Amino acid sequence: AQSVSQHNHHVILSEAASLELGCNYSYGGTVNLFWYVQYPGQHLQLLLKYFSGDPLVKGIKGFEAEFIKSKFSFNLRKPSVQWSDTAEYFCAVKGPVGVTGGGNKLTFGTGTQLKVEL
Amino acid sequence: GAGVSQSPSNKVTEKGKDVELRCDPISGHTALYWYRQSLGQGLEFLIYFQGNSAPDKSGLPSDRFSAERTGGSVSTLTIQRTQQEDSAVYLCASSLWDSYEQYFGPGTRLTVT
Repeated sequence: AQSVSQHNHHVILSEAASLELGCNYSYGGTVNLFWYVQYPGQHLQLLLKYFSGDPLVKGIKGFEAEFIKSKFSFNLRKPSVQWSDTAEYFCAVKGPVGVTGGGNKLTFGTGTQLKVEL
Repeated sequence: GAGVSQSPSNKVTEKGKDVELRCDPISGHTALYWYRQSLGQGLEFLIYFQGNSAPDKSGLPSDRFSAERTGGSVSTLTIQRTQQEDSAVYLCASSLWDSYEQYFGPGTRLTVT
């Protein structure tokens, strides 16, 4: 079964600091990769996604992520965080792609709580 | 346009009672998913509907859980004889097709006392 690991459970940064959140998944086949964000009191929103092509994907609000197939990783980055980035971030994987049924569900990591201090 | 909606937003029930949670997906989305978000467990897949195909129930934790989707749109998740460990936020998501990204609703927070 697919599993997703997010190594940082709680991260505290000062504004303007750089951010990198780690995400590793277990399955070696073709997968779709996602980062979702949940701001306080709000529902899950898609931050960015990777389906195929350029392994460096850019999302909303200045976030980007790099898919490194050899490392089974999809780390999230932002060069300069803002206070408004305080939220919980979830990495999710869908796969194996092309398999009906169970291949369509998302497997989530346990989330990383990011707090950005002024 | 309107997003995924869920009702109720909060539900408090006594242990042993049955509950029904409702999800209205985005219009035109053929795929619908239920997930559960609980403390210490993260987000867990429960069940997946795609068109008229048989649902993927592989994530349902016990036979007390069931779900249906009527007319390819609205879905209801039913939990029978609720237990305290069922307390969680139940999230619904929909996607245009199963190969597209999923859009999540606000969730129903279920508390079993």
